[in-house]
Amino acid sequence: EAGVAQSPRYKIIEKRQSVAFWCNPISGHATLYWYQQILGQGPKLLIQFQNNGVVDDSQLPKDRFSAERLKGVDSTLKIQPAKLEDSAVYLCASSLGTMETGELFFGEGSRLTVL
Amino acid sequence: AQSVTQLGSHVSVSEGALVLLRCNYSSSVPPYLFWYVQYPNQGLQLLLKYTSAATLVKGINGFEAEFKKSETSFHLTKPSAHMSDAAEYFCAVSEGWAAGNKLTFGGGTRVLVKP
Repeated sequence: EAGVAQSPRYKIIEKRQSVAFWCNPISGHATLYWYQQILGQGPKLLIQFQNNGVVDDSQLPKDRFSAERLKGVDSTLKIQPAKLEDSAVYLCASSLGTMETGELFFGEGSRLTVL
Repeated sequence: AQSVTQLGSHVSVSEGALVLLRCNYSSSVPPYLFWYVQYPNQGLQLLLKYTSAATLVKGINGFEAEFKKSETSFHLTKPSAHMSDAAEYFCAVSEGWAAGNKLTFGGGTRVLVKP
């Protein structure tokens, strides 16, 4: 079974530039999450999708971050304009999204460095 | 609101010694609890999870954790450390399907194994 795929793995940009990250979840997983992991900290949820609808985006800085999940499969997370404090690893995760409280499956992450 | 506290951001153990990683949580409902491991430049991998069945949970790679409601704790242990256990470990809490199965993570504990 293929895991959660993310790209790019690494990205270096200057502040005020824009960047986009892509995620392809495990086939059949209805729920998709984007987490931000700043160096030395635990992951923090940015946004959660159930199929192609947003369930929770309360922690997403909406003035600069946006995310979409068209057709309920792949997802894109965009940052525009980037700030220095956005330097982090952006982790995508997916789960079946059923009543069972199962695990989240994580991708390897996209590491962003903002100079 | 749910939260997780991991005591000790770094732990150093000798190969063959006991590994003990501490996790305390707060939750307004009966929680689901997880331990994830993160190796360098990789995503998070599930070690074990507690979902209201047995309070002593066994996971992969010889790890286990015990849920203690009275202490609001879910400490992770392994009787004998191996060099391959060097990684960062995250405890996480979920309030289940009604809360979207979202995970709230602790700050992580980095484990160093000395030969």
